[in-house]
Amino acid sequence: GESVGLHLPTLSVQEGDNSIINCAYSNSASDYFIWYKQESGKGPQFIIDIRSNMDKRQGQRVTVLLNKTVKHLSLQIAATQPGDSAVYFCAEKGSGGGADGLTFGKGTHLIIQP
Amino acid sequence: GAGVSQSPSNKVTEKGKDVELRCDPISGHTALYWYRQSLGQGLEFLIYFQGNSAPDKSGLPSDRFSAERTGGSVSTLTIQRTQQEDSAVYLCASSSGLAGVEQYFGPGTRLTVT
Repeated sequence: GESVGLHLPTLSVQEGDNSIINCAYSNSASDYFIWYKQESGKGPQFIIDIRSNMDKRQGQRVTVLLNKTVKHLSLQIAATQPGDSAVYFCAEKGSGGGADGLTFGKGTHLIIQP
Repeated sequence: GAGVSQSPSNKVTEKGKDVELRCDPISGHTALYWYRQSLGQGLEFLIYFQGNSAPDKSGLPSDRFSAERTGGSVSTLTIQRTQQEDSAVYLCASSSGLAGVEQYFGPGTRLTVT
């Protein structure tokens, strides 16, 4: 079946360092690849997305890289802060508009060490 | 402005009882989504509404699950004859765009079936 998954369940980094969270996907037909952040007790929060015809997109302190050759997605967070501690999910979206819903990976727990 | 709200925040019910979960999307958002988050299955897409219409109900786990949306706003997810495997956090999200990439999630309803 088609799915989106994550390589590591937990990632621990020092405050101020850069973080890289990785994701493997299997559905080459997805139109969008997205990163969401979920803090404890809250719903997921959109971070950034990248369309399938791009390989890099930058936001505020975040960069998403898409490698379609190896079906790999990554999220880079610069100068991580305590508020970045959360579970990060990669997700994919088909080209069928809203009807596709989002297919989420299993999540990586990012822990920021002081 | 107000975000997506869900009620109740927690619901404990006995096996076999019916439950109704409510979602109030962001005002003006035409697209509404229901997801289920559980330890075993991660985040699963259940159903999507564009306005009051749900074009595809195949994501609902069983025929015990139903959802409706009235007036293009509030949505309810109903689970009949609840089972223990229905225990999960039920998340609602809304979106203003047709692509449904950036979704705004509510805090969820934690359902526990005893």
